[in-house]
Amino acid sequence: AAGVIQSPRHLIKEKRETATLKCYPIPRHDTVYWYQQGPGQDPQFLISFYEKMQSDKGSIPDRFSAQQFSDYHSELNMSSLELGDSALYFCASSRRGRKGYEQYFGPGTRLTVT
Amino acid sequence: SQQGEEDPQALSIQEGENATMNCSYKTSINNLQWYRQNSGRGLVHLILIRSNEREKHSGRLRVTLDTSKKSSSLLITASRAADTASYFCATDVLYGNKLVFGAGTILRVKS
Repeated sequence: AAGVIQSPRHLIKEKRETATLKCYPIPRHDTVYWYQQGPGQDPQFLISFYEKMQSDKGSIPDRFSAQQFSDYHSELNMSSLELGDSALYFCASSRRGRKGYEQYFGPGTRLTVT
Repeated sequence: SQQGEEDPQALSIQEGENATMNCSYKTSINNLQWYRQNSGRGLVHLILIRSNEREKHSGRLRVTLDTSKKSSSLLITASRAADTASYFCATDVLYGNKLVFGAGTILRVKS
């Protein structure tokens, strides 16, 4: 079965640079979520989109922005990178409808800021 | 963690034994989901239990939910070395569109 695709899988950037992470949800899934997981930490919710509109927002820095496109893929744009942004970034997707829908996670993008 | 605690933080057992992990949360929920994560890798969805359910089974997994106590437990029966991983509970919060994760339990199954 098709899974959530994230690219790139690994990314190394320097401080103050920008990065763009991409997420391709499972076909027919209409909701995309972004999470950040620091070393030894639990995943922290950043932002979600349903039908291309932002549907919830968590602890996402102002330096980050995201959007969902007409084909439902999503991009997380990160600017003025800081050392503390080094983390695993997960995208998840779900098919919204009635209550109680599983979120399926991609393999993650490991971002290292040096 | 944003949502609550998982207990224990780490668990080491012998292959064949049962493993029980507990999770507490703070807010009202639509459902609670359990995920597994092998070291530094992706999150694998294990099971979802809705707020109006009390118990759910899937293979060797048994999940309970007590909404009055805002707690859940995950039982893995007849554990295998391949079950070694971190296990997270995550709540699908009411009036939100996100999952809030607990701190996770690191399970080590020794063969």
